Amino acid sequence: GAGVSQTPSNKVTEKGKYVELRCDPISGHTALYWYRQSLGQGPEFLIYFQGTGAADDSGLPNDRFFAVRPEGSVSTLKIQRTERGDSAVYLCASSLQGATEAFFGQGTRLTVV
Amino acid sequence: SQQGEEDPQALSIQEGENATMNCSYKTSINNLQWYRQNSGRGLVHLILIRSNEREKHSGRLRVTLDTSKKSSSLLITASRAADTASYFCAPKSGANNLFFGTGTRLTVIP
Repeated sequence: GAGVSQTPSNKVTEKGKYVELRCDPISGHTALYWYRQSLGQGPEFLIYFQGTGAADDSGLPNDRFFAVRPEGSVSTLKIQRTERGDSAVYLCASSLQGATEAFFGQGTRLTVV
Repeated sequence: SQQGEEDPQALSIQEGENATMNCSYKTSINNLQWYRQNSGRGLVHLILIRSNEREKHSGRLRVTLDTSKKSSSLLITASRAADTASYFCAPKSGANNLFFGTGTRLTVIP
């Protein structure tokens, strides 16, 4: 596709459930970023991939959060045992290489009830 | 911290006026990028200024960079209601990550 695609656009889940959020980056982009954003706040960094490997996962808040990018393209953010505090918009971005502009998807709005 | 900090947190101006937002950062950078966000969804890249540049223009946008003061400013001239959004700066070091601050929320009143 022409841009970064995130699915689903909205996800409502019950507390304690497992969720997966998908990001399809722009073809050929080696860098991929995940952020989460709460209302009125800036995007909070979660994890950054360079190719298949996580170059920086220091933003993952705890071990309930995990992300993979097995073939260096599509990435999945996985959240186990969801909590109401996980409710936020989860944003994905990709770029050609680390130093150039990033292109964002429209995000997945996760609501934990 | 590698993120930029935008100032002011909120700015409200009349349509046609100029809007100036500032960004301060703490680390050495290769470039600094400005992004816009409407309605809390995806950010859109506006402009990138490299560390060896002092000023850059793109349409109604003018960005300055002072690496000695570790600061940047974004000027939007002749503002329009459609410029209403949150604006974020992202100082970038080599292949490192992109970090964002809390942004400046700009409201342009028609």
